[in-house]
Amino acid sequence: KNQVEQSPQSLIILEGKNCTLQCNYTVSPFSNLRWYKQDTGRGPVSLTIMTFSENTKSNGRYTATLDADTKQSSLHITASQLSDSASYICVVSPQGGGFKTIFGAGTRLFVKA
Amino acid sequence: DAGVIQSPRHEVTEMGQEVTLRCKPISGHNSLFWYRQTMMRGLELLIYFNNNVPIDDSGMPEDRFSAKMPNASFSTLKIQPSEPRDSAVYFCASSPQMSANTGELFFGEGSRLTVL
Repeated sequence: KNQVEQSPQSLIILEGKNCTLQCNYTVSPFSNLRWYKQDTGRGPVSLTIMTFSENTKSNGRYTATLDADTKQSSLHITASQLSDSASYICVVSPQGGGFKTIFGAGTRLFVKA
Repeated sequence: DAGVIQSPRHEVTEMGQEVTLRCKPISGHNSLFWYRQTMMRGLELLIYFNNNVPIDDSGMPEDRFSAKMPNASFSTLKIQPSEPRDSAVYFCASSPQMSANTGELFFGEGSRLTVL
């Protein structure tokens, strides 16, 4: 069964610190992997997308990595800010799966002053 | 550019009442999705439209749920009769492409439904 699992479930860090969120998936083969950011009370917004042949993708202070061999992805946030407090959702699209993207449960990040 | 527009943002109703949620996708996007989000189950796909045609509704939980897309700029999700377990945030999303399986999903702000 195609699954996407994220860890940790929640995380609290101090402003200015770095953090790394994990995503393990069993979807294979897959077309692409995205990380979405969802602020409280808002809809998810795409941060990064990687195809199976890409290893890393950056978007400002956000850097996503992908290891297709181990089926793992991570999202690294550098110099965290209060506005980074949100849920981060890993989403995998199976190859040939069309619309059947698979969502992880998300990691809830709290950045404290 | 306007994003995906959903209404109402919040809805509180009593069990047994009909609920209609509305969505206006981004102009030019040919794919539209309805999702439900709860703490327990995360984001679940309810139904997917492509070019206004329902392609897959296997995620619709029961016959009480129905969705329509009468034209490219409007879709509705209806629950009749509503039950307390339907309480959730319902998201509409649109995408400019699906055939290449790389289309980014553009989500609306969601409609938070509470059924008492």
